[in-house]
Amino acid sequence: DTEVTQTPKHLVMGMTNKKSLKCEQHMGHRAMYWYKQKAKKPPELMFVYSYEKLSINESVPSRFSPECPNSSLLNLHLHALQPEDSALYLCASSQERGGQAFFGQGTRLTVV
Amino acid sequence: GENVEQHPSTLSVQEGDSAVIKCTYSDSASNYFPWYKQELGKGPQLIIDIRSNVGEKKDQRIAVTLNKTAKHFSLHITETQPEDSAVYFCAASRGKAAGNKLTFGGGTRVLVKP
Repeated sequence: DTEVTQTPKHLVMGMTNKKSLKCEQHMGHRAMYWYKQKAKKPPELMFVYSYEKLSINESVPSRFSPECPNSSLLNLHLHALQPEDSALYLCASSQERGGQAFFGQGTRLTVV
Repeated sequence: GENVEQHPSTLSVQEGDSAVIKCTYSDSASNYFPWYKQELGKGPQLIIDIRSNVGEKKDQRIAVTLNKTAKHFSLHITETQPEDSAVYFCAASRGKAAGNKLTFGGGTRVLVKP
């Protein structure tokens, strides 16, 4: 099983809303990632968690707040987003030592 | 940081023909090179990968080659089928030393015409 599950699939939120994206994997992977993908562009790394600790923040604005409650779950809390934050948000996981990373189907976020 | 360039940006082939996508990378410390296929409305799907200690890897109709000296790697798809139509991304990584970060190329939109 190489499945990474993301919920919700689609999300529309206003600029004053607070929402959360969720990601779950049961492959025993200890590294989890958030990527952002704009239309017709490649994914860009936002955050890396290793053994439930934040190891990389690619200078992401504080209106995006990641959380890793346990080794299977990864959340991305959203607050006061801007329309330009509309994108496909992808979660991925891999072995902590690196190698094959598996992506979820993504959450299509629209900020209005 | 790492920079990955991918060519061509679009590729149209006749069903049954071969498709080749090429990528170059800048960081000689990169040691892992995966390829992803992304269909419309879906997340990227890992289709094949290669490590820096291997020059070539094959899995049925797809193969990847790596030239470390020239810092480029390529994806070869033989006997293309309409279901191969998608956007393909190459990526490079320095592995655990860089947090397993993947740096992606710009993508190649492949259209296989029946």
